Amino acid sequence: NAGVTQTPKFQVLKTGQSMTLQCAQDMNHNSMYWYRQDPGMGLRLIYYSASEGTTDKGEVPNGYNVSRLNKREFSLRLESAAPSQTSVYFCASSQAGQVGNEKLFFGSGTQLSVL
Amino acid sequence: SQQGEEDPQALSIQEGENATMNCSYKTSINNLQWYRQNSGRGLVHLILIRSNEREKHSGRLRVTLDTSKKSSSLLITASRAADTASYFCATGGSYIPTFGRGTSLIVHP
Repeated sequence: NAGVTQTPKFQVLKTGQSMTLQCAQDMNHNSMYWYRQDPGMGLRLIYYSASEGTTDKGEVPNGYNVSRLNKREFSLRLESAAPSQTSVYFCASSQAGQVGNEKLFFGSGTQLSVL
Repeated sequence: SQQGEEDPQALSIQEGENATMNCSYKTSINNLQWYRQNSGRGLVHLILIRSNEREKHSGRLRVTLDTSKKSSSLLITASRAADTASYFCATGGSYIPTFGRGTSLIVHP
């Protein structure tokens, strides 16, 4: 099994450009998440989707939008990238019907630099 | 804001020694999880302990949970160079797993 697949692995943007980070899981999980990881800050939740058709804001949603395209796919969009969005982005999924009670499976991350 | 906070921030030991890292949290939880992150990689789940459990083992890992003190510890016994990584605790209870800043462990051969 591939698990959680994120694309691209690396991306460099100029301020103001837009892009979409893709995430797909093949484990038939209900819940999917987007986190960002910055040095000294740990992982912070951007958005999550408890089930297909639902999305909710996390701790740091400003400047981002998400789409739960189907049960497998959960994309993260930056409409107008800013240098403050330079970070490593992780997608994760879990089986939980009740989010927070099951382990997360993570993708390998997208390293994004905004110049 | 982050629910769990790991301590110490960094830990450096020799191969064969035990490594202990701690996690403190602020509000009630349903479970607490520990994850490992190798440099440049995604996080990998190590162990989950539920709020009604006090101790759990998995191979060389031992996790304890003290809900009265709102704290957990992760013990790695007989450490190996391959254990070099960052370790994160994640608390569950408010519907969303919330991560701490992590402990960076270096195991010298």
